Amino acid sequence: AQSVTQLDSHVSVSEGTPVLLRCNYSSSYSPSLFWYVQHPNKGLQLLLKYTSAATLVKGINGFEAEFKKSETSFHLTKPSAHMSDAAEYFCVVSAGTYGGSQGNLIFGKGTKLSVKP
Amino acid sequence: DSGVTQTPKHLITATGQRVTLRCSPRSGDLSVYWYQQSLDQGLQFLIHYYNGEERAKGNILERFSAQQFPDLHSELNLSSLELGDSALYFCASSVGPNRGSGYTFGSGTRLTVV
Repeated sequence: AQSVTQLDSHVSVSEGTPVLLRCNYSSSYSPSLFWYVQHPNKGLQLLLKYTSAATLVKGINGFEAEFKKSETSFHLTKPSAHMSDAAEYFCVVSAGTYGGSQGNLIFGKGTKLSVKP
Repeated sequence: DSGVTQTPKHLITATGQRVTLRCSPRSGDLSVYWYQQSLDQGLQFLIHYYNGEERAKGNILERFSAQQFPDLHSELNLSSLELGDSALYFCASSVGPNRGSGYTFGSGTRLTVV
């Protein structure tokens, strides 16, 4: 079965400092992994996705994530935080297409990112 | 605007009532997914339709049902509502039924049961 664990429920950084949001996954298959962002009172927006191509994935707004199979991790990073990055971030794994629910996403509990001026 | 349209944006109703949430997928997308976001359960997958056919069911209660129509819009029907059904309900769409492409989410319907 697939699952994701976001290691921090809340991360606070100062504007201009690096961001690290941690995610570990568990998957019986070669996983597809995603990061989504949800700004207050908004829907979910796809930041980036990993689908077994390059292990370092670049997304929108300067975010990137690195797939590390040996560590079963998919941490999200950004070199320099902006105030507009304050939001909730979800690490997501896709259920396998061989058995189980085809096509649905399994969300982590989310990490709320606060950015201080 | 993500291209996925959900209506209504907000809904307040009483316990025991029935409501219908509507979703129009992004143009060209054949798959529609429904998710429930609540404070205690987080984001939970409910159900997936592809081109009018049910493809997968997640943690969907028997009081809830959904369908996808020939024009590909989908409706989620919630009946015998309870206070615990208060949540944000998201619809997402994708081109195909497979997992790799990522999904486009609508802005959600906030349901409040009083």
